[in-house]
Amino acid sequence: SQQGEEDPQALSIQEGENATMNCSYKTSINNLQWYRQNSGRGLVHLILIRSNEREKHSGRLRVTLDTSKKSSSLLITASRAADTASYFCATDRSGRDDKIIFGKGTRLHILP
Amino acid sequence: GAGVSQSPSNKVTEKGKDVELRCDPISGHTALYWYRQSLGQGLEFLIYFQGNSAPDKSGLPSDRFSAERTGGSVSTLTIQRTQQEDSAVYLCASSRGREETQYFGPGTRLLVL
Repeated sequence: SQQGEEDPQALSIQEGENATMNCSYKTSINNLQWYRQNSGRGLVHLILIRSNEREKHSGRLRVTLDTSKKSSSLLITASRAADTASYFCATDRSGRDDKIIFGKGTRLHILP
Repeated sequence: GAGVSQSPSNKVTEKGKDVELRCDPISGHTALYWYRQSLGQGLEFLIYFQGNSAPDKSGLPSDRFSAERTGGSVSTLTIQRTQQEDSAVYLCASSRGREETQYFGPGTRLLVL
């Protein structure tokens, strides 16, 4: 079964607006990662946040982690057309095994 | 530096044939993962190699799927007697070790006719 579940499944916003995507998971984790996948391309790692961290920034990206709610959010500020892609969260499961589990992703479309 | 590479980038095969997909991880990465992404679906874990330990095969969908990793580096994913439902993008990733960032290759797009 899916460990990470992103929502919304699809999101369309105007260029320049902020985009927020959420991820929920089920079991305890060591870390949570966000990836981007442009159509027809491989996955690009965006940011990793460890279970003892609450917020992390990288450029226009801001990730939060709430382990009590088992949820994370990815905020992209001042969106650009090039941000159009699918975004996946991935979690590992602490104490279980070493693989990471991906959700189905959020398809983000930036409108010109 | 060089990232994860995979070959072939595209593969079209007939139902019932065997296929081999190759992954070259980043040099020095001890962990290697195979995932599958079917159209419109999320990523599905297949198999994980860590150093010289026995691989975690818990994600392989059937016994037609197997993988090996020679010399702790290059990995080959083999699908025997391919079926149409095997059509997907097969992604390989490597990392420095446990709980480290996984870096993905471009994938192999497999189409079984």
